[in-house]
Amino acid sequence: DAGVIQSPRHEVTEMGQEVTLRCKPISGHDYLFWYRQTMMRGLELLIYFNNNVPIDDSGMPEDRFSAKMPNASFSTLKIQPSEPRDSAVYFCASSPPGWEQFFGPGTRLTVL
Amino acid sequence: AQSVTQLGSHVSVSEGALVLLRCNYSSSVPPYLFWYVQYPNQGLQLLLKYTTGATLVKGINGFEAEFKKSETSFHLTKPSAHMSDAAEYFCAVSAFTGGGNKLTFGTGTQLKVEL
Repeated sequence: DAGVIQSPRHEVTEMGQEVTLRCKPISGHDYLFWYRQTMMRGLELLIYFNNNVPIDDSGMPEDRFSAKMPNASFSTLKIQPSEPRDSAVYFCASSPPGWEQFFGPGTRLTVL
Repeated sequence: AQSVTQLGSHVSVSEGALVLLRCNYSSSVPPYLFWYVQYPNQGLQLLLKYTTGATLVKGINGFEAEFKKSETSFHLTKPSAHMSDAAEYFCAVSAFTGGGNKLTFGTGTQLKVEL
């Protein structure tokens, strides 16, 4: 299995632009998680889905952030408009029923 | 609510020395506990997990951890550190919610291994 796939691996954009991060979970995993990691705040859970349905989005920082999971094999995290404080590494993880989460390699986002 | 405390954001050991990374948890129900490792510019990778059964859990790369309910601890150890062990380590506890499957992560411990 290829593991969790994230794209792009690196994204540099200017403040005010729309950013879309993509994730393909491991086939057969029912859960999908989006995390953000920064030096200041550590690893934060933004939102997670179960069977494509958002379960908990309380970690989404503000309305500029949105996430979708249109099918079992694809999810997006969108930031519109982006701000410099959104610069971070964004991880996607997936999990079968149970508790172990499998992380993707992350997308390093820089907002200038 | 479940929580995790990792004591020491930075730990430095000599190559060949014992590695001890501390993790204490808080949980109102019997927890599932995890240790993850993150190498530079990579995602988190599972080292080991405790769900039920034997309280001493062995993981990859020679690491092990012991679940001690009386101390609410799940410390990670390795008898002899190797240079390749330099990474950030995260302890996590299961957080039982209506949707299930959520993990609460600690703030991480950066392990440095010196010659």
